[in-house]
Amino acid sequence: GAVVSQHPSRVICKSGTSVKIECRSLDFQATTMFWYRQFPKKSLMLMATSNEGSKATYEQGVEKDKFLINHASLTLSTLTVTSAHPEDSSFYICSARGPGDREEQYFGPGTRLTVT
Amino acid sequence: GQNIDQPTEMTATEGAIVQINCTYQTSGFNGLFWYQQHAGEAPTFLSYNVLDGLEEKGRFSSFLSRSKGYSYLLLKELQMKDSASYLCAAMDSNYQLIWGAGTKLIIKP
Repeated sequence: GAVVSQHPSRVICKSGTSVKIECRSLDFQATTMFWYRQFPKKSLMLMATSNEGSKATYEQGVEKDKFLINHASLTLSTLTVTSAHPEDSSFYICSARGPGDREEQYFGPGTRLTVT
Repeated sequence: GQNIDQPTEMTATEGAIVQINCTYQTSGFNGLFWYQQHAGEAPTFLSYNVLDGLEEKGRFSSFLSRSKGYSYLLLKELQMKDSASYLCAAMDSNYQLIWGAGTKLIIKP
């Protein structure tokens, strides 16, 4: 199946700093990428949907100025958590969908962010 | 509104069979997914149903009834490694996934 990677897998940062998480589709072109956040023992919460070359569509309640998403190429999307706070600590997961693949999303392994 | 319901937690015995139910309400429907998620890991794809009926894949089977807005995941010959959360997700008319909260499955020896 298709492979999606995320980097870093774990990151610890101090309050007030920014953190960038990369999501790459390794063997296919991802026209659409999704960013999810997952709190402990909770389901996935969709943060935003990004299409290559256009601005991301954010879900209600997600601050677009705080969670900057860039989908500059068909294989790379980045999520930058700006001015991080301890409450931003979470598990962030990206997924990707190919151009002809209406159904399945391929998930990255996730990034564990801890803000101290 | 759009909603997915599934039990929070289930317990089963190694070697037994367990059925995890899921009901959904979405704006349009383009299929029902089941994912497995082990603690601290991303979800992995298990099954996709868009037509009514049962899809069997090894020890795992998934069933869909579109008229009832209902699906279940059936796990046979349970193994300890099947202990995980099982997420039900329905795809709406915009091809977006609506996620359930997940069912934590605990397998006992």
